[in-house]
Amino acid sequence: GIQVEQSPPDLILQEGANSTLRCNFSDSVNNLQWFHQNPWGQLINLFYIPSGTKQNGRLSATTVATERYSLLYISSSQTTDSGVYFCAVEPRGAGSYQLTFGKGTKLSVIP
Amino acid sequence: KAGVTQTPRYLIKTRGQQVTLSCSPISGHRSVSWYQQTPGQGLQFLFEYFSETQRNKGNFPGRFSGRQFSNSRSEMNVSTLELGDSALYLCASSLGQRDNEQFFGPGTRLTVL
Repeated sequence: GIQVEQSPPDLILQEGANSTLRCNFSDSVNNLQWFHQNPWGQLINLFYIPSGTKQNGRLSATTVATERYSLLYISSSQTTDSGVYFCAVEPRGAGSYQLTFGKGTKLSVIP
Repeated sequence: KAGVTQTPRYLIKTRGQQVTLSCSPISGHRSVSWYQQTPGQGLQFLFEYFSETQRNKGNFPGRFSGRQFSNSRSEMNVSTLELGDSALYLCASSLGQRDNEQFFGPGTRLTVL
C-alpha cells in the first residue's frame, strides 16, 4: 500500500519561531489532509490540499502532487501550536475511501 | 452545523467482554469511517461505510465489525476484547465521494483491563 513519511518526528521551537513540516508519499493521491491532534485526541482539520497552496492565518500548506510531497508552514509559533501534526492521504484508485496516516510530527513550542 | 459526535467518550472493559461504540456523522454526510490509534501502530483504518454498505475494510481480525444505519449513524463492535485493543477509536465522516474532505469526531478512549 501507499507509504506516508513525515519529518521531522520531533521538533522543539522557541515561541515566535517559524517551522516547516514535510510529508512524502509514495503514490498518486486523491486527497491529502493535514491535521493537528489536540491534547484530548481529537483531530482538527488544518488543510485539505491534494495540490496547490493554501493559507489560513499563520499556517500555510503546499502540495506538489507530481513530486509526491506536501509542506506545512507554521509562522510565529505560539505555545498553543504544540501537539502532533499528521499528514494523511487517500490513495488514487478503485476501492480506496480510506486515509493512510503518517506517524506524525510532535511539535513543542516553549515560551 | 454540528460536528461528528461519538459516544461514549471513555470506556473501561475487561478481557473477553465485548463493546459497542457509536458515531453520528455531520448532517448530510453519508460516509463514516473508523480508525484505531495506538502508541505503537499509530492511526490505522478499520472500515468505511456508505449508504449502509461497507466499501472498504482494513487489516483487522473479524472480532472488529461495524454497521451503518439508514440515518448514516454508525456503530462498531469489538468482541472478545484483548488487552491490545486498548486504544483511541476515531470516527470520521464525509460526503462519500472519492476526494472528499474527512472530518473527525472527538474519539472514544477504550481501556481493556
